[in-house]
Amino acid sequence: NAGVTQTPKFQVLKTGQSMTLQCAQDMNHEYMSWYRQDPGMGLRLIHYSVGAGITDQGEVPNGYNVSRSTTEDFPLRLLSAAPSQTSVYFCASSERGVSLFAGANVLTFGAGSRLTVL
Amino acid sequence: RKEVEQDPGPFNVPEGATVAFNCTYSNSASQSFFWYRQDCRKEPKLLMSVYSSGNEDGRFTAQLNRASQYISLLIRDSKLSDSATYLCVVPSGPNNAGNMLTFGGGTRLMVKP
Repeated sequence: NAGVTQTPKFQVLKTGQSMTLQCAQDMNHEYMSWYRQDPGMGLRLIHYSVGAGITDQGEVPNGYNVSRSTTEDFPLRLLSAAPSQTSVYFCASSERGVSLFAGANVLTFGAGSRLTVL
Repeated sequence: RKEVEQDPGPFNVPEGATVAFNCTYSNSASQSFFWYRQDCRKEPKLLMSVYSSGNEDGRFTAQLNRASQYISLLIRDSKLSDSATYLCVVPSGPNNAGNMLTFGGGTRLMVKP
């Protein structure tokens, strides 16, 4: 049981280049999400998905696209990388959607992808 | 006011000490709260959930104060291995929908021999 797998672990891009961060989970989780973590900023939600074919914006969606064609995969695309996108990116999943109420599910995180944009 | 606020620390404590962190949140509709632990350059992992007034797991106790909108994490008999960053997490989102999890900036704990 691999859990949440992110690739690549490290990537260096030049400004304006595009790339896709891959995220796959083998737990049949409905909910998947992408966060970025910057020093002193905590984790900030980029995009999330409550199921195949359904995606929505989080707190900091600009400059990123996502799609959810299967339950297992949730890739994050940077169309034109900028130095401000230098960060550590985490993909996370949970069995069911996030809720205000008791019973909200635990997030399982991938190991992270460190991206540097020059 | 930020949705979730934490003192960044660091909290430097000797082994065996008791240490407590607070986390304040702005979404009064939230009913569940979480503490995650993050080791340096690693992914966050769930430490504890808090759904009512509190929760205890061994040396760790999480308490919730709804009136003042804060949660706390108490660590007793600190170990060197407790050194990490502790993240407070609260469901939030537009119109208090709660369909997102908002992380605090984290509190760094360093336990010294």
